[in-house]
Amino acid sequence: DGGITQSPKYLFRKEGQNVTLSCEQNLNHDAMYWYRQDPGQGLRLIYYSQIVNDFQKGDIAEGYSVSREKKESFPLTVTSAQKNPTAFYLCASSRGGSYGYTFGSGTRLTVV
Amino acid sequence: GENVEQHPSTLSVQEGDSAVIKCTYSDSASNYFPWYKQELGKRPQLIIDIRSNVGEKKDQRIAVTLNKTAKHFSLHITETQPEDSAVYFCAAPGAGGGADGLTFGKGTHLIIQP
Repeated sequence: DGGITQSPKYLFRKEGQNVTLSCEQNLNHDAMYWYRQDPGQGLRLIYYSQIVNDFQKGDIAEGYSVSREKKESFPLTVTSAQKNPTAFYLCASSRGGSYGYTFGSGTRLTVV
Repeated sequence: GENVEQHPSTLSVQEGDSAVIKCTYSDSASNYFPWYKQELGKRPQLIIDIRSNVGEKKDQRIAVTLNKTAKHFSLHITETQPEDSAVYFCAAPGAGGGADGLTFGKGTHLIIQP
């Protein structure tokens, strides 16, 4: 059953702590993306990767980091430099270019 | 970069009536326009998309129209049903063609009144 899996579903972060969100896909898609969703703000692009070992900053990359060591995996680290990390994080993949995204089920991150 | 404006932010219609959601985009190089539906607490799902070489596309009760000259595109839902209640997002790729990420509108909360 092909798809894209995000974990964990819920994550709680303490002040000053780095946390990593997992995103794995078995769709054989080249392109992967991370978006942040806040109420009333739509989806905003954090980072994207078009091929393995390459990634680019999106519109709101400050305080986040990523890696793309395998085609299937694109983990996102929320660092302590991100001052307002509470949000719903969505990972997506696509064949690239003008093709629709397949989204994961999301991770809801809360600062405690 | 691309800028996408979406209206209205909330739309309430009677069950069985039609709903129309409109989006404008800024980058004339955009050539692909998807629409996503997101039910409460769930992932966005692609419901229909259109490429810039056509003006309209239909899939059962939903349709999308594109006006490249005016740089706007719209989602039309006919004979609305309770399961159509959700948040709908439009998106556009900008000059990068989508490989460097889609820009999304802020969403429309569609409410179907019984």
